[in-house]
Amino acid sequence: DGGITQSPKYLFRKEGQNVTLSCEQNLNHDAMYWYRQDPGQGLRLIYYSQIVNDFQKGDIAEGYSVSREKKESFPLTVTSAQKNPTAFYLCASSSPSEVNTEAFFGQGTRLTVV
Amino acid sequence: QQQVKQSPQSLIVQKGGISIINCAYENTAFDYFPWYQQFPGKGPALLIAIRPDVSEKKEGRFTISFNKSAKQFSLHIMDSQPGDSATYFCAARAGYSTLTFGKGTMLLVSP
Repeated sequence: DGGITQSPKYLFRKEGQNVTLSCEQNLNHDAMYWYRQDPGQGLRLIYYSQIVNDFQKGDIAEGYSVSREKKESFPLTVTSAQKNPTAFYLCASSSPSEVNTEAFFGQGTRLTVV
Repeated sequence: QQQVKQSPQSLIVQKGGISIINCAYENTAFDYFPWYQQFPGKGPALLIAIRPDVSEKKEGRFTISFNKSAKQFSLHIMDSQPGDSATYFCAARAGYSTLTFGKGTMLLVSP
């Protein structure tokens, strides 16, 4: 089945540690996105990539880093510089060459700092 | 800054009633307006989408109404069911840019 796989579903991190969230898609989409979701805040864009080996900062990129070495994969690292990392993280993909194409979302990773 | 303002923040509707969620935008370059549905602990999924060249789009019990002059669009859920209880997000996009999301509406349909 085609789709987006995020792992792990739940993640616990100690303060001061970096942690990497995985996102893999087999939809052959060029574009991939990372969003952060907090209660009452909607979905805020962290980083996005429209092509392999290229990515752009979104609205809240500080304290995060990404890489896009393969079309299928777009991992997100939450660094110790992110002051409030506890949140629900969503990965999405789309084909931006198709006008009005929908964005497909993964099932999310809930990160908790302990 | 591009914004999409969504209201209400939460909504309680009785089973069989009509749920209405509204969104407003400022950027006249927006040309694609999707609605996403999200259940707790899951990722959002596309529900229905509209382009500004039509004023209404209907898919089953879900209808988008679009008012280009007022820069507003809304989601109507007819005959609301308990299974419709979820968080709904409106969004907008200009051309091939990224989606801008509203802050979401938590809908509870009471049995």
